[in-house]
Amino acid sequence: RKEVEQDPGPFNVPEGATVAFNCTYSNSASQSFFWYRQDCRKEPKLLMSVYSSGNEDGRFTAQLNRASQYISLLIRDSKLSDSATYLCVVARGSSASKIIFGSGTRLSIRP
Amino acid sequence: EAGVTQFPSHSVIEKGQTVTLRCDPISGHDNLYWYRRVMGKEIKFLLHFVKESKQDESGMPNNRFLAERTGGTYSTLKVQPAELEDSGVYFCASSQIREGETQYFGPGTRLLVL
Repeated sequence: RKEVEQDPGPFNVPEGATVAFNCTYSNSASQSFFWYRQDCRKEPKLLMSVYSSGNEDGRFTAQLNRASQYISLLIRDSKLSDSATYLCVVARGSSASKIIFGSGTRLSIRP
Repeated sequence: EAGVTQFPSHSVIEKGQTVTLRCDPISGHDNLYWYRRVMGKEIKFLLHFVKESKQDESGMPNNRFLAERTGGTYSTLKVQPAELEDSGVYFCASSQIREGETQYFGPGTRLLVL
């Protein structure tokens, strides 16, 4: 079983739709949680950190449930430019420096 | 401010040859990481430097891989001899020393072993 599990998709939704991604992690020692975005043939880039209290950045909302070891990302009013692969990332170890990637969820927004 | 840079961007070599990848972290970042993504798989951690010291090398696949960071600035990752299964994208990332700091990724080196 992978340490970080994501639905690989692809999710194909119309522009303006709301889309939600889920992620589960198996190691309860995990300390920090992130969503990264990766465009085709590019490097991963941090989208947002995820906190238990939930956090919002514009159209993006992330949530963490430590008890269920579950992380979510919600994208509202999706744009064509949101098309990418979204990577669920979990950090643990000394200084939370060892990060474990999920395999990513592909999102395609259609006009 | 310059981001993480990696060289070369692409490398095509034959099985048995040697390849050396280079990563220049963001200036002032003491943490430097190497990751690899093989076809169809998730990105996997290889190792972590703090300055010139190897903090965690638990992800290194085998002794054909050697990473160095002499002087605590740029790092090299050498694969010798390369095997077919080493093909993939090798990412480098760096971060500041504070706990939980964001890791910034380089563009990656795409390695193809024939």
